[in-house]
Amino acid sequence: GAVVSQHPSWVICKSGTSVKIECRSLDFQATTMFWYRQFPKQSLMLMATSNEGSKATYEQGVEKDKFLINHASLTLSTLTVTSAHPEDSSFYICSAKRTSGNNEQFFGPGTRLTVL
Amino acid sequence: QKEVEQDPGPLSVPEGAIVSLNCTYSNSAFQYFMWYRQYSRKGPELLMYTYSSGNKEDGRFTAQVDKSSKYISLFIRDSQPSDSATYLCATHSGGYQKVTFGTGTKLQVIP
Repeated sequence: GAVVSQHPSWVICKSGTSVKIECRSLDFQATTMFWYRQFPKQSLMLMATSNEGSKATYEQGVEKDKFLINHASLTLSTLTVTSAHPEDSSFYICSAKRTSGNNEQFFGPGTRLTVL
Repeated sequence: QKEVEQDPGPLSVPEGAIVSLNCTYSNSAFQYFMWYRQYSRKGPELLMYTYSSGNKEDGRFTAQVDKSSKYISLFIRDSQPSDSATYLCATHSGGYQKVTFGTGTKLQVIP
């Protein structure tokens, strides 16, 4: 159990376009989901915490108008990178925490975004 | 100073060796400690999850936490080439506090 999926697994887009990434908890309900960004040879950097039915909480330095997060249900959160630029190219990973239980986070497989 | 420090490696060991991976942290409020394994271009996979000080064993993996010295370790016995990956330590203080990750140690097990 505790499987998290992401779609797409990789995407290439042109500069200025928007890209939506989906994160789903497949076999459990997740009140809270997290979005991370990971640059090569660096650790995961938390971008925002997403709670079902409420606005996301963004980390310092993360533009909320550029990285739109929607957590419409207990199994789905989406991250939309708006007006993407080459510097947004990165590995985006979501994680989900069970509604019940301890604080374990289960990670998705990640989405590699390349902005040309 | 980073909240969680981890040697990035790389660490190369022969197959069958015992691997020791370590992290230090600075925030005494951290209560929960995790180790994740991340293969190249994949999301992290939770290996071990421990609370407070002590040891936890799961198969070939043993996690050790020493809160007095703010030191956490992961031991891998009888290492296999399939263990080659980046290992991330992580910690948080409980509740809905965010998880803080180390930078990861890249491990290579040579057949």
